[in-house]
Amino acid sequence: ETGVTQTPRHLVMGMTNKKSLKCEQHLGHNAMYWYKQSAKKPLELMFVYNFKEQTENNSVPSRFSPECPNSSHLFLHLHTLQPEDSALYLCASSQEVAQETQYFGPGTRLLVL
Amino acid sequence: EDQVTQSPEALRLQEGESSSLNCSYTVSGLRGLFWYRQDPGKGPEFLFTLYSAGEEKEKERLKATLTKKESFLHITAPKPEDSATYLCAVSGGFKTIFGAGTRLFVKA
Repeated sequence: ETGVTQTPRHLVMGMTNKKSLKCEQHLGHNAMYWYKQSAKKPLELMFVYNFKEQTENNSVPSRFSPECPNSSHLFLHLHTLQPEDSALYLCASSQEVAQETQYFGPGTRLLVL
Repeated sequence: EDQVTQSPEALRLQEGESSSLNCSYTVSGLRGLFWYRQDPGKGPEFLFTLYSAGEEKEKERLKATLTKKESFLHITAPKPEDSATYLCAVSGGFKTIFGAGTRLFVKA
């Protein structure tokens, strides 16, 4: 595997379900990010991890819970989501935080019913 | 307030019809400006990073330029496979901000 991988690629869940998104980067980077992308809106930064420590949480609702066990893996745990949470969730990584080029995974398309 | 604005929102071109996409920005202490290409249902694919005014970078039919207030992505003689959404992002301080993108359609 090369680059940034994400699983699953597609997910349908009910509002009472609990699910997790997984991201893995094979680039040796130190920073990892979760973004939300809704139709016709700019990418919304959700969380930033630097050397597996969370450095940014952009006022994300607590129904989204990130986990970064090491600098290569990032998870997003989901519970009691709302239909408006349906979107493309993108993971990215960069060598250092913010000022470096970010490389993105293919995304997880989430539908909340 | 740091901000990134891309225009036009959508652009329709005939194959071979050259044009430019614009990215205007305001940021405190620019550290880098990034261009990405995004195909439907996929993650953004990195194209260019520009660091200072006057810098230019090229890749195949694409050329990115940077001034102190804006960046242009010039597309020369586009082909249908260039159809995609092009995203601009700027990094200032410790934040990276993305624009909403320009959707490019190239008709054969």
